[in-house]
Amino acid sequence: EVQLVASGGGLVKPGGSLRLSCAASGFTFRTYNMNWVRQAPGKGLEWVSSISGSGNYIYYADSLKGRFIISRDNAKNSLYLQINSLRAEDTAVYYCARFNDILPGYFTVDSWGLGTLVTVSS
Amino acid sequence: DIQMTQSPSSLSATVGDRVTITCRASQNISKYLNWYQQKPRKAPKLLIYAASSLQTGVPSRFSGSGSGTDFTLTISSLQPEDFATYYCQQSYNTLSLTFGGGTKVEIK
Repeated sequence: EVQLVASGGGLVKPGGSLRLSCAASGFTFRTYNMNWVRQAPGKGLEWVSSISGSGNYIYYADSLKGRFIISRDNAKNSLYLQINSLRAEDTAVYYCARFNDILPGYFTVDSWGLGTLVTVSS
Repeated sequence: DIQMTQSPSSLSATVGDRVTITCRASQNISKYLNWYQQKPRKAPKLLIYAASSLQTGVPSRFSGSGSGTDFTLTISSLQPEDFATYYCQQSYNTLSLTFGGGTKVEIK
């Protein structure tokens, strides 16, 4: 069974930094592209970033470039998101999610983990 | 970025009703469209991929249709466990995924 468990969230002051982690199990982690998706309280889903299985290809939402850094450690089956210069609008539940080529040439986010809440407030 | 617009943003329905949610893409995305269900305080769950393919384990009362820019999610007979928020998402541009704003299905 695919399991994705995010951690590392908490209450942070504006301008602070945080590193989120996601522990993966139940599948061959290194062979899957992974994503971070966030959801502000009472709002919809917003894609943040994705990383290829090897870690060589990384993409970010245009509006978030510069403050977010995605990385992974395939030896530890772990995905990370470093968030710098935190702002109130970064307050959200952050989900890690697996990208799967569910059909040849067709990729979708097929598994989502338990999210971790980041609250930015003074 | 490809913009995804869902309608309605919310609806009220009764158990047994047929429910239809629409999603429009800002450009042609062929059939690269997915639907997710999210219940309160839970992670989203994939229901439909490639516009009309049912994810394993999803009840057959859920169906999807459409291609190009216009898509539909239909619940043929609404069940109590279906009250949730539904999101469409395009995977035509996998370098920049985008979601619709969501449709909340509430009990009438």
